[in-house]
Amino acid sequence: SAVISQKPSRDICQRGTSLTIQCQVDSQVTMMFWYRQQPGQSLTLIATANQGSEATYESGFVIDKFPISRPNLTFSTLTVSNMSPEDSSIYLCSVAPASANTEAFFGQGTRLTVV
Amino acid sequence: QKEVEQNSGPLSVPEGAIASLNCTYSDRGSQSFFWYRQYSGKSPELIMSIYSNGDKEDGRFTAQLNKASQYVSLLIRDSQPSDSATYLCAVKSDYKLSFGAGTTVTVRA
Repeated sequence: SAVISQKPSRDICQRGTSLTIQCQVDSQVTMMFWYRQQPGQSLTLIATANQGSEATYESGFVIDKFPISRPNLTFSTLTVSNMSPEDSSIYLCSVAPASANTEAFFGQGTRLTVV
Repeated sequence: QKEVEQNSGPLSVPEGAIASLNCTYSDRGSQSFFWYRQYSGKSPELIMSIYSNGDKEDGRFTAQLNKASQYVSLLIRDSQPSDSATYLCAVKSDYKLSFGAGTTVTVRA
């Protein structure tokens, strides 16, 4: 399995500001994903980070709010922009090979609190 | 995202008993099925994957898949207090994972 380093592990931010979360993988991976897990809830996919092209966003998530970069096959960033308290959540990076029958693995997560 | 439903919890079982977790999914084209365990404050950890109909056993864990019924389950035998966690069912379609809401399991010593 891939080793995924995600940082920061946690942060407390003021509303109206932005936070960029980084995800570094120890090997090249085809697919990188960003999830949100709101308190007491399951994981919701925000977007698929595509290397060399724009991310693919899920319904309810937009690029202006959650810009994503994927400059190479081992690194991605997610920015949470113009934050409000409703953005307080855990954000998780996930990686998986493109093959259907393969597992996805998660970074340690970033616990974000917006005050 | 595709729908994934899990049996509501929380589920409380005595130590040594069997914990049974169920999951149904809406997309018949789903290709792969996973169970993740998530301890409080931690990220999900993969414990089982299953890709074809039938049973798959790994230690105290058994996953069962029935694609015709769009149903996947997880059995935890000889439950231990360390098994107390939230278990997430995940279904892969089009290379993306959809997660159920999770079932919280508490193993009573």
